[in-house]
Parts: sequence; C-alpha cells; structure tokens
Amino acid sequence: DADVTQTPRNRITKTGKRIMLECSQTKGHDRMYWYRQDPGLGLRLIYYSFDVKDINKGEISDGYSVSRQAQAKFSLSLESAIPNQTALYFCATRGGGYTGELFFGEGSRLTVL
Amino acid sequence: GDSVTQMEGPVTLSEEACLTINCTYTATGYPSLFWYVQYPGEGLQLLLKATKADDKGSNKGFEATYRKETTSFHLEKGSVQVSDSAVYFCALSDRAGNQFYFGTGTSLTVIP
Repeated sequence: DADVTQTPRNRITKTGKRIMLECSQTKGHDRMYWYRQDPGLGLRLIYYSFDVKDINKGEISDGYSVSRQAQAKFSLSLESAIPNQTALYFCATRGGGYTGELFFGEGSRLTVL
Repeated sequence: GDSVTQMEGPVTLSEEACLTINCTYTATGYPSLFWYVQYPGEGLQLLLKATKADDKGSNKGFEATYRKETTSFHLEKGSVQVSDSAVYFCALSDRAGNQFYFGTGTSLTVIP
C-alpha cells in the first residue's frame, strides 16, 4: 500500500459544486501539504499543516479550505468549484528537519466543467 | 523570497546522450536542495538531494552538486535511457524547514 493515499484519483464535477479531496498517510509525519500542479507552472502550495492544530495558508489558498482531522488525515475542500480550479492536486508529507524530503501521493485529477 | 529557476523544456534526447538540466536558486542562508522526478501518470518522487555546500547527491546514474558560489544544483546524467523520460523538478527547502519551493519542471523525452 502507498504511504500517502489520495482519494479520489479522478473527479469530474460542475461549476458551483462542493468537492473534497482526501489524503491519508502511514508515515507518521506531522507535516502535511496540499499542492496544485498546472502545466508550465510547476507546483504551487495551497495549504500546509504542522500538526492537527496548526493550519497555514500557502501562496494560492483563495477558493480552498482544509481540515486536519488527525495526524494522518488532511483534506482539501473546494466550497464552490470553478473551471480554473481544474488541475492535478497532490498531497505530501514531510519528516523532521529542514533536510527531510517531501513524500507525495499519486495525485487527484480534478476537472471542473 | 526564496525561489528556484530551472531550465525550460521540453528536452528531447537520443538514448545514450548526455543530459544536463540547469537549476539555480535564490535563498537566504543555506537551504537544502532536491531533484524530484515525475513519471507519466504518477506523483513526484525524490531522485536525489544535497543538504550542504559541495555535497553531491546521486541516484540511478543521476548526479547533482550543491554549488554555493554559483547558487546552482544542475542535474546531470552521462547516458540517458528511454525509461528516464519524465518531468524533473528542482526544489529547495528553506533553512527553517517550513516550506518547499519548486521550479516549473523540465520535461525530458528520450527516443530510441
């Protein structure tokens, strides 16, 4: 089983709908992240969390919200989806220290019509 | 603020050719540097990393050296294979360890 699991892997929805992307991890890491990937733009940080009570906005948090339900679970919500939120979304976790790397899930491809 | 600039693609090479993907960074202090690879349809996975100046990271025939004097972390491979076709991302972690900063990615296609 993957260490970082994202659901759903693919989702097509309509403008104005609420959508939730879920992430769970078995690595025991405190730090979790949500990124968005768009062609030519690389990865952009949406939100990050250092523990259950610590949630921080990234560079593109507008239109998104998150919930850290437990150390192992970090969900991303789009309250009212719009077409320019069509993208590939990645959850990641990170171990201790500034030298530790990010561990990524396989991604959730979201299409908003 | 901290940032990473990497060579734009796409890059197309013949099998067994040499590869260099340039990456330079801007950061305060001494960041950790990383190369990630994304194969088609998959998430990103760590290829190699270096955590201090002059360190060399290596994996699967790829190498990159942390050059503080030129603020660079170029990715190199002496002989690429078709299976190396992927998107490569350069990244840095700030000294506080709070955030990662990614380059825009370089797409590599290796043809037989």
